[in-house]
Amino acid sequence: DAGVIQSPRHEVTEMGQEVTLRCKPISGHNSLFWYRQTMMRGLELLIYFNNNVPIDDSGMPEDRFSAKMPNASFSTLKIQPSEPRDSAVYFCASSLGGLAGISYNEQFFGPGTRLTVL
Amino acid sequence: ILNVEQSPQSLHVQEGDSTNFTCSFPSSNFYALHWYRWETAKSPEALFVMTLNGDEKKKGRISATLNTKEGYSYLYIKGSQPEDSATYLCAFPDRNAGNMLTFGGGTRLMVKP
Repeated sequence: DAGVIQSPRHEVTEMGQEVTLRCKPISGHNSLFWYRQTMMRGLELLIYFNNNVPIDDSGMPEDRFSAKMPNASFSTLKIQPSEPRDSAVYFCASSLGGLAGISYNEQFFGPGTRLTVL
Repeated sequence: ILNVEQSPQSLHVQEGDSTNFTCSFPSSNFYALHWYRWETAKSPEALFVMTLNGDEKKKGRISATLNTKEGYSYLYIKGSQPEDSATYLCAFPDRNAGNMLTFGGGTRLMVKP
């Protein structure tokens, strides 16, 4: 298996532009997670999906952020409009297991997307 | 918000030294504890998922122990090598938030040749 795939790997954009990050989880995994890594806050969970349904989005910083998972093999994280403080590395991860099982199953992380908003 | 703390924040050791660091987590409502290894410019990789009090897991020169009653886990590295240089993260599922993982701040290990 190719592992979790994220695109693009790097994105540089100007303030106010829309940014879309993409993720393909490992085939057969039914939980998908979006994380953001910053110097100030470390690794923080933004949202996670189980069987394509958003379960917890309490980590999404504000309404400018939205995430979708239209099918089991694809998810997007969109920022509109983007701001310089959104600059970070965004990771997607996937794991096996239902809502209780995600406690016990290791998560597999993608390579991340480094976003820079000028 | 769960309090998951790791210490020390950073550690410098010489090649060949053995080392250990700590993850502290809430002792109530325990489900599991995850350890991840995160090399610079790469993505986190799972080391262990621990579930039982007193559990000890081992992968090569790296091992971990778990005390759920007092709320801590130790990660040990025997005979550190430069390739062990990484940030080691622990994570604890939050029962009150859909079991999402709350990560500690990590221990950054640097092994000098």
